[in-house]
Amino acid sequence: QVQLVESGGGVVQPGKSLRLSCAASGFTFSSFGMHWVRQAPGKGLEWVAVISYDGTDKYYADSVRGRFTISRDSSKNTLYLQINSLRAEDTAVYYCARWMPLGQFDPWGQGTLVTVSS
Amino acid sequence: DIQMTQSPSSLSASVGDRVTITCQASQDISNYLNWYQQKPGKAPKLLIYDASHLETGVPSRFSGSGFGRDFTFTISSLQPEDIATYYCQQYDNLPPLFTFGPGTKVDIK
Repeated sequence: QVQLVESGGGVVQPGKSLRLSCAASGFTFSSFGMHWVRQAPGKGLEWVAVISYDGTDKYYADSVRGRFTISRDSSKNTLYLQINSLRAEDTAVYYCARWMPLGQFDPWGQGTLVTVSS
Repeated sequence: DIQMTQSPSSLSASVGDRVTITCQASQDISNYLNWYQQKPGKAPKLLIYDASHLETGVPSRFSGSGFGRDFTFTISSLQPEDIATYYCQQYDNLPPLFTFGPGTKVDIK
């Protein structure tokens, strides 16, 4: 079955960097674009970034552009999110999701929690 | 950028009640509107895509409608397992940008 599993979260000091990973299985990873979405504690969903199926096109939310970098390695069926200069407001559960043809996010991974704290 | 609003922000209804949530876009988005269910501590799950198409495996008590700026999500007969927060989501194609509504929390009365 289609499965997405995030990893790489944890407690990080402000100003540090972190790389999140999302391992995909059960589908042809190289045929689909992929998203990152985050959810701060007790808050709603915030779209973060998307990458095209071949990695050539990348788009970001205004709130993260310049500090976040989305990338993928289709040889490893893995999606990445590099987060630099971490801030307290980056504290959230980060989800990866597959970009479906009609703009849907489906499915979603279980999420990985990033906590920015000194 | 397109903004999404949802109403109500929360509601409480009895088992068997009909529940309706509305979602409004700040500009015309055609039918580029999807709905998700998120249960506490879980990842979101796609329920409705393209405003009115039921995702495979989703119970038929869930439905969606609308076009342009105004959209509606309905649970025809609320069940205890429907306790969750529901989000609408729009997307632009050029360039690809995606926005979620603020969510509607549904509880059992």
